[in-house]
Amino acid sequence: DTAVSQTPKYLVTQMGNDKSIKCEQNLGHDTMYWYKQDSKKFLKIMFSYNNKELIINETVPNRFSPKSPDKAHLNLHINSLELGDSAVYFCASSQAEMNTGELFFGEGSRLTVL
Amino acid sequence: GNSVTQMEGPVTLSEEAFLTINCTYTATGYPSLFWYVQYPGEGLQLLLKATKADDKGSNKGFEATYRKETTSFHLEKGSVQVSDSAVYFCALSVNNNDMRFGAGTRLTVKP
Repeated sequence: DTAVSQTPKYLVTQMGNDKSIKCEQNLGHDTMYWYKQDSKKFLKIMFSYNNKELIINETVPNRFSPKSPDKAHLNLHINSLELGDSAVYFCASSQAEMNTGELFFGEGSRLTVL
Repeated sequence: GNSVTQMEGPVTLSEEAFLTINCTYTATGYPSLFWYVQYPGEGLQLLLKATKADDKGSNKGFEATYRKETTSFHLEKGSVQVSDSAVYFCALSVNNNDMRFGAGTRLTVKP
């Protein structure tokens, strides 16, 4: 069983469209994240949710809206896609109570905006 | 703010060479420090960690020591293999909801 799974793995779409990426974790973790990795491999946190509540919201355009229906899921919806949104988006989870800080990552969703 | 700075890549080594990837950090409070590795086409995975000063993290022949006096957490391996080719990320966490990553260092090991 995959611990953190995200779909789709690849997404190619036109500018201006709206798209969603889904993430699910079966580790029982309290906290989930979205990270954006650009073409130079730079990894930047976008959002963090703890028990369905937003904890971190970095400077991200409001076209990006995370939704956490329960603590095992954190989906990312993007409106009015732009060329600069092309990147690999990684979902991750951690268990805050364990105090290890270890993040478990999904395999990534590569978004290409044409 | 909390951040890490790691040496820019790419780094290219021959098999069995010694590896050092430098990492320094800035943090308020007492961070835990981590090295993550990303193999081609995969997500990041934890390589090693240290949660307090002078701790040494180790895994798969890699080591890093938490140096509070120099705010550093350099990654080392005595003899690299082709299979170690990947991107390595230094990271810190001051609380468990906020992990900050360095820019990543790409390592290529040639036979």
